[in-house]
Amino acid sequence: ETGVTQTPRHLVMGMTNKKSLKCEQHLGHNAMYWYKQSAKKPLELMFVYNFKEQTENNSVPSRFSPECPNSSHLFLHLHTLQPEDSALYLCASSQDHSQGAFSYEQYFGPGTRLTVT
Amino acid sequence: GQQVMQIPQYQHVQEGEDFTTYCNSSTTLSNIQWYKQRPGGHPVFLIQLVKSGEVKKQKRLTFQFGEAKKNSSLHITATQTTDVGTYFCAGGADKLIFGTGTRLQVFP
Repeated sequence: ETGVTQTPRHLVMGMTNKKSLKCEQHLGHNAMYWYKQSAKKPLELMFVYNFKEQTENNSVPSRFSPECPNSSHLFLHLHTLQPEDSALYLCASSQDHSQGAFSYEQYFGPGTRLTVT
Repeated sequence: GQQVMQIPQYQHVQEGEDFTTYCNSSTTLSNIQWYKQRPGGHPVFLIQLVKSGEVKKQKRLTFQFGEAKKNSSLHITATQTTDVGTYFCAGGADKLIFGTGTRLQVFP
């Protein structure tokens, strides 16, 4: 499956580093998402973008900064992270975020396994 | 806020046994989706249910949406080792809320 790609696949960073995660979707979708997956919270929604506009921020700390330059690309900029931020970060896309009360199926990328030392 | 819970959290079965996971929402849903995540992989969309009481089948998998559109179930008949993974339901309202997941382990 190559509909949604993510780079890098693995990342180890120190708490003072700055890094960025990249996501690209080739499905012609209008909505993109960042999720955090850890043992404590299986799938935790972080951010939602619909037509390049951020429509949801689930009380995510400011050390995570998303960027969506167009409907096909999504970035997650990381700085001064904490060890508890170590997790699998998943990007997903869908046709649209929602239409009224109806939610579209989401297509996930392979994820970036992040380790903060 | 809206919550979607799944039970059980873990299930270990012998190959050939049946398996069921249940999904319950605190609010009425417009649609429900099911995803499977293999170990080391990412969630993959399986199916979507929209109508009250709807039942859909995919080979050995049977998906059901409750009459009140607040619960759903996934039943696997005669599990195989390839069924191993975590199954997530996701309730649709004004946004998609993922359930807590059920991790299935199948012993040969």
